[in-house]
Amino acid sequence: QSALTQPASVSGSPGQSITISCTGTSSDVGNYNFVSWYQQHPGKAPRLMIYDVTKRPPSGISDRFSGSKSGNTASLTISGLQADDEALYYCSSYTNTGSFVLFGGGTMLTVL
Amino acid sequence: ITLKESGPTLVKPTQTLTLTCTFSDFSLNTDDVSVGWVRQPPGKTLEWLTLIHANHNEWYNQSLRSRVTVTKETSGKQVVLKMTDMDPVDTATYFCVRGSFEGGFDFWGQGILVTVSS
Repeated sequence: QSALTQPASVSGSPGQSITISCTGTSSDVGNYNFVSWYQQHPGKAPRLMIYDVTKRPPSGISDRFSGSKSGNTASLTISGLQADDEALYYCSSYTNTGSFVLFGGGTMLTVL
Repeated sequence: ITLKESGPTLVKPTQTLTLTCTFSDFSLNTDDVSVGWVRQPPGKTLEWLTLIHANHNEWYNQSLRSRVTVTKETSGKQVVLKMTDMDPVDTATYFCVRGSFEGGFDFWGQGILVTVSS
């Protein structure tokens, strides 16, 4: 069981919006704005989509991807779903435990 | 910016794994950056292992601290991961990453699948 909890799967139709949640504790998500989100296509390395809860990297990530946080739960919202968005999504957070970095279990996004 | 992992793809139980990450377009001798390792067992989630900064500071996942060592080569263009006493549960794709705890890992190598089997 992963330290950060994500739903196993979400789905949406092209053009729709979806939100993926990531629940942690006061040792990580709740007290630090160091939440990141990664996209991973099959057989590929993860790609940083969001960092510091809401920021997009300068590598050209679409503004269709946005992040937010409330309490111990962070969220990734993808608007205007496209076929290429179909992938695994992982959240990550700094933690003040000896692990330093925690990942979620991953959420499979299916574009119907 | 690119990173690439190299090393054995098959190791025997109890052996020590040594992986090298070679990167370009930045240097651990001159830039304020960190390079580390993240692994992913087949079909499972990601696990952060270690990070080393240009100033030589090192951080380790406490759960693996007794088995893992990270070093940076004098060239500033390579980082080496050593993991002792390998076990079949250590079978995973090992990714080299650039980044930080705060800003996430913004560049990843392609990964190298390491299988632990006799």
